[in-house]
Amino acid sequence: EVQLLESGGGLVQPGGSLRLSCEASVVTFIKNAMNWVRQAPGRGLEWVSGISVTGGATYYAESVKGRFTIFRDNSKNTLYLQMNSLRAEDTAVYYCAKGGYTSAFDIWGQGTMVTVSS
Amino acid sequence: EIVMTQSPATLSVSPGERATLSCRASQSVSSNLAWYQQKDGQAPRLLIYGASTRATGIPARFSGSGSGTEFTLTISSLQSEDFAVYYCQQYYNWPPYTFGQGTKLQIK
Repeated sequence: EVQLLESGGGLVQPGGSLRLSCEASVVTFIKNAMNWVRQAPGRGLEWVSGISVTGGATYYAESVKGRFTIFRDNSKNTLYLQMNSLRAEDTAVYYCAKGGYTSAFDIWGQGTMVTVSS
Repeated sequence: EIVMTQSPATLSVSPGERATLSCRASQSVSSNLAWYQQKDGQAPRLLIYGASTRATGIPARFSGSGSGTEFTLTISSLQSEDFAVYYCQQYYNWPPYTFGQGTKLQIK
């Protein structure tokens, strides 16, 4: 069974940058589209970004477009989210999730907390 | 963007009883509808995909129905571990994939 482990969260000042990582436990990672989903404190789920199997296609929510970049390294079974120009409203737990296109998100990581505050 | 609306926001049900949660899409999503369960401090867990197919390991007391714009998640005979927040999500017309705002299922 695929397991996902996020890392890279923390406290950052407004305008700062952070890179999140999501490592998959098995090689089947390379055969799946992947996503980042976030959840602000006390709020619901918000899809942030998605990427195709090869990394050749990427997708973003309007709220992060131009500031966040999703990419993957299939040789390392790892998904990334580069977050720049961070704002207070980006404060959330960030989850990576396997799935997308015609599939639901069937595997989720445990999440990593990002806090944007001065 | 497809807007997903869940009702009610909070549902109080006694253990052993049936719970019915609703999800409405602002336009048709065919059967590309998933339900997730989230407990406090935990990641969401996929319960139902394709509107009515249970994910691996999900008990038979969870069932999904509907297509187009109207969907229902039914939990028959509620167990203590079922009290959580439930989200619906469409993966028909994206980006973005969109979630409902959630229904909190609490003990009556």
